[in-house]
Amino acid sequence: QSALTQPASVSGSPGQSITISCSGTDSDVGGYNYVSWYQQHPGKAPKLMISEVSNRPSGVSNRFSGSKSGNTASLTISGLQAEDEADYYCSSYSSSVTYAFGTGTKVTVL
Amino acid sequence: EVQLVESGGGLVQPGGSLRLSCAASGFTFSNHWMSWVRQAPGKGLEWVADIKQDGSMKNYMDSVKGRFTISRDNAKNSFYLQMDSLRAEDTAIYYCARNFLWGWLPWGQGTRVTVSS
Repeated sequence: QSALTQPASVSGSPGQSITISCSGTDSDVGGYNYVSWYQQHPGKAPKLMISEVSNRPSGVSNRFSGSKSGNTASLTISGLQAEDEADYYCSSYSSSVTYAFGTGTKVTVL
Repeated sequence: EVQLVESGGGLVQPGGSLRLSCAASGFTFSNHWMSWVRQAPGKGLEWVADIKQDGSMKNYMDSVKGRFTISRDNAKNSFYLQMDSLRAEDTAIYYCARNFLWGWLPWGQGTRVTVSS
C-alpha cells in the first residue's frame, strides 16, 4: 500500500498556528476531495477532525481547518493548546488502494 | 450515543486464525458502510477492509486479500473480520469504524491481535 507523506514532527508554542502537510498523487489526494484528518492521543483511538478536505464534524473545535492544493492537503491548527499535542494522520480515497493513510505527524506544544 | 465495541483479539500462532467482532449501537447500522483499520505497534494507521450496507460489496488491502474476510449481520448490528493464515506482520491493534463522508466516525476502542509463536 502507498502511504501519503507527512512531516514526522511539527511543533509550536501555545497560541501559535501550525500547519501539517499531506502529500499524495493524482490517484489519491489530487484526484478526489476525499481527504480526512485524524487526531490520536497515546493509547487512544483516532478521532475524526476534518472530512472531505475542509469539513469539521460536529463538536470539533473551529481552531482546526483543512485545505487542499493540487496533490497536497493541509491541516492547520490555530491558537495551539496543550491538549492539541498528539499524533495526526491524513487519509484519502485512492483509486489504487481504496484508502491510503499518511505517515503520521507528531505535534508537540512547546 | 453512537458506539462501536470490538472483541475477539488475542495471541495466535503464525498460520492460525482469529475472528474479530464489532458491535454497533446508537445509529441505524444497516445504513452505513463499515471498516476495519489497524495499527501495528509504534506504527501508523492502515486501512484493512470495508463492507457495503447490505454486504454485497467488500474491499480489502492487497496484503490481506485471500486471507481475511469481512462480513456483517445487520440483524445483530454487528460486523466481523475473519483472519486466516495469520502472519507476524498482522500484529496490530484492530479498530472497527463507521464510514462517514469518505472518512471514519466513530472508531471503536480497538482490540489487540498478536501473532507470535
